Amino acid sequence: EDQVTQSPEALRLQEGESSSLNCSYTVSGLRGLFWYRQDPGKGPEFLFTLYSAGEEKEKERLKATLTKKESFLHITAPKPEDSATYLCAVQMMYSGGGADGLTFGKGTHLIIQP
Amino acid sequence: KAGVTQTPRYLIKTRGQQVTLSCSPISGHRSVSWYQQTPGQGLQFLFEYFSETQRNKGNFPGRFSGRQFSNSRSEMNVSTLELGDSALYLCASSQQVNYGYTFGSGTRLTVV
Repeated sequence: EDQVTQSPEALRLQEGESSSLNCSYTVSGLRGLFWYRQDPGKGPEFLFTLYSAGEEKEKERLKATLTKKESFLHITAPKPEDSATYLCAVQMMYSGGGADGLTFGKGTHLIIQP
Repeated sequence: KAGVTQTPRYLIKTRGQQVTLSCSPISGHRSVSWYQQTPGQGLQFLFEYFSETQRNKGNFPGRFSGRQFSNSRSEMNVSTLELGDSALYLCASSQQVNYGYTFGSGTRLTVV
């Protein structure tokens, strides 16, 4: 069965303390891997899409990387406003060229203390 | 540019009733997907519509159904509500099937 596992479940950092969140996946035929940020009471906010191993994308203090088995979301010098739940999702590709809906991990709850 | 709009934001229903949730996608987006989010199961895919046709369906019972109108607006219906259907229901739109997804703020459904 296809799975997406995120670790750690929760992470508490001091402001400015860099770290990485992990997303490991076991799917056949990956079409894309997505990172989202979700704040309490809101829908997920799109961050990145990665399509192939070796790909990297950056946005402000965030950098996402992808290998054949996992993805990392690196947070450099985080600020309190980076506190949120970070969700990873994968999308499988069908043999006919179509793709399935997103399969999400349970998320990493990140708290940045001032 | 307006985002994805979901109505209502909150809903309380009684077991056995049915409910209809609405989603207006971003202008120009033709694909609409629905997800259920619960503390125990996380975010789970329900179905995706494109040009009024269901393209994908997740592993949910037939009580969960949806449709999409010619203006791309979508509705999701849940019949014979169960307590376990209490969740945040999220709608996401994209320009085409299997492209970047923008989520709405969701409808919080409570079944009592």
